[in-house]
Amino acid sequence: DSGVTQTPKHLITATGQRVTLRCSPRSGDLSVYWYQQSLDQGLQFLIQYYNGEERAKGNILERFSAQQFPDLHSELNLSSLELGDSALYFCASSVERVENSPLHFGNGTRLTVT
Amino acid sequence: AQSVAQPEDQVNVAEGNPLTVKCTYSVSGNPYLFWYVQYPNRGLQFLLKYITGDNLVKGSYGFEAEFNKSQTSFHLKKPSALVSDSALYFCAVRDAGNMLTFGGGTRLMVKP
Repeated sequence: DSGVTQTPKHLITATGQRVTLRCSPRSGDLSVYWYQQSLDQGLQFLIQYYNGEERAKGNILERFSAQQFPDLHSELNLSSLELGDSALYFCASSVERVENSPLHFGNGTRLTVT
Repeated sequence: AQSVAQPEDQVNVAEGNPLTVKCTYSVSGNPYLFWYVQYPNRGLQFLLKYITGDNLVKGSYGFEAEFNKSQTSFHLKKPSALVSDSALYFCAVRDAGNMLTFGGGTRLMVKP
């Protein structure tokens, strides 16, 4: 068990809808990362937060947004959903902003857009 | 920009034989290299990392990885494969900007 909790495990919704994915990092970890894993594109980095502030942005669409709250949990909001947004969304956390700190991943949220 | 390449989509090996999963990287500055494993319906699990020091890094479950600076490679190895090692393996590199970039993954199939 990595200590990173993601909810819900599965989400099925229709095109055009909006969903929120939630992540609770490992106790003591200040950094939260969001990744998207699809069959044809592997793991894509979306965004990173450190202690409530955005630190790095990857290939995140404008329809997607995220935030990290004072209690360090994070939410990823996906809006105007398209079929191509169907994927596994992973949250990961790490101790601090150091290069050699490994990420600890949650078990992901599987999003299916129909 | 940093990048990671895993040239093999799948590696097949018989149980008890040694295994190698290949990874090459490109990064400016000193590389921070990682291997992760993903089992079905699970998140990625950290296996090992190279930061500095010995070129042979030992990690979890009997895995090790060899860092080769001249070849910019960080191949994952295990002397004797187990059927339970069958999974998806990801190599990753992290730069000074703290972003972790993953390779495309290699599926390891260990047959009894």
